[in-house]
Amino acid sequence: EADIYQTPRYLVIGTGKKITLECSQTMGHDKMYWYQQDPGMELHLIHYSYGVNSTEKGDLSSESTVSRIRTEHFPLTLESARPSHTSQYLCASSDQGTGRGETQYFGPGTRLTVL
Amino acid sequence: GEDVEQSLFLSVREGDSSVINCTYTDSSSTYLYWYKQEPGAGLQLLTYIFSNMDMKQDQRLTVLLNKKDKHLSLRIADTQTGDSAIYFCAEQNGNTPLVFGKGTRLSVIA
Repeated sequence: EADIYQTPRYLVIGTGKKITLECSQTMGHDKMYWYQQDPGMELHLIHYSYGVNSTEKGDLSSESTVSRIRTEHFPLTLESARPSHTSQYLCASSDQGTGRGETQYFGPGTRLTVL
Repeated sequence: GEDVEQSLFLSVREGDSSVINCTYTDSSSTYLYWYKQEPGAGLQLLTYIFSNMDMKQDQRLTVLLNKKDKHLSLRIADTQTGDSAIYFCAEQNGNTPLVFGKGTRLSVIA
């Protein structure tokens, strides 16, 4: 059972609001990721972090920002939400050991709707 | 950038074998993965294969890797209704983030 949590699970907000999606893991993993998932299934990497005070942008241009002040916490912030941000957001963490593949543990996701 | 392709849909009868195929472009891939996503949930790792292997078997799952053709497949033996889900192929080069395919939706008909 993966110990990675996302809150809220569902969020409906109006255009222009600032929101923060929370992601926490209790496994002590250094690597954490945020993905945006289309209704048609495709995953897009929007941000990742390989440790505290380290963050990188992913492949999909995003108006969101992230921070990694503590190992276990990787929040995603939208300063001004727009309808185009409506999507499912998945957080994941992993601990890749030497000589073995990287198991990413995914949270249950936050389904965001911007009206 | 690197790309991972897979067919979007597959439908099989309960008890039959399912084969989900994937192609990738990165010839330097170190690991290749299969993840499963059930409705309303995040992804879950099913299995992975190191790039110097041709095959890996784990109970009902068989992964075949053709490195020359950059082709990966996942075979599920004796497919059950509980196997209905979206299956994602992914590749990784060294310590870089995984590159996921668009997912194959497997429907199992009872």
